[in-house]
Amino acid sequence: LAKTTQPISMDSYEGQEVNITCSHNNIATNDYITWYQQFPSQGPRFIIQGYKTKVTNEVASLFIPADRKSSTLSLPRVSLSDTAVYYCLVGGVPYNFNKFYFGSGTKLNVKP
Amino acid sequence: EAQVTQNPRYLITVTGKKLTVTCSQNMNHEYMSWYRQDPGLGLRQIYYSMNVEVTDKGDVPEGYKVSRKEKRNFPLILESPSPNQTSLYFCASSPGLAGGSDTQYFGPGTRLTVL
Repeated sequence: LAKTTQPISMDSYEGQEVNITCSHNNIATNDYITWYQQFPSQGPRFIIQGYKTKVTNEVASLFIPADRKSSTLSLPRVSLSDTAVYYCLVGGVPYNFNKFYFGSGTKLNVKP
Repeated sequence: EAQVTQNPRYLITVTGKKLTVTCSQNMNHEYMSWYRQDPGLGLRQIYYSMNVEVTDKGDVPEGYKVSRKEKRNFPLILESPSPNQTSLYFCASSPGLAGGSDTQYFGPGTRLTVL
């Protein structure tokens, strides 16, 4: 099961774009990359998932280089409500779907 | 409303007194899992279940038991709780292989204190 490495914390200001990078050097060919968001005292919530290149949804974008050994979650124009912990995971359907490794995540602090 | 529910939300107990934390999902998901969350350690997987009657250990299974007799329920059992099991516990479910998705939906959490 590929493990991930993320910065422990990041600070930003409202209205800025935030990029959180995750390193996953041992990612397998069939692994997907998934990001979750967690607010204090709540369960994590799915943000975005991708396999390669770029994925965008209404909340974020996910950039994955060709070697797939890292990925970057991009949050456009953050607000105070984006203050949360962000987790990067690798694995998933259909080949590596059993255990999940969340790690400690990246604590994003958005300041006014 | 599609959701994962956990009960109780808060529990204070004493060492050695058996307890069960229930988890139920109404989304007909195959996959269910339990996590514990501790400061500085992030979320760690305790047990998971790929389907009814199929369970397996996660990263930190010691001191816990689970069962999956029905698709919707996945209780977490602490036969003899100890203070090091004081933690915030989350249950999660996912469509799984049959549903073609590993996106997990989390419950609201159970804060357990073992004295």
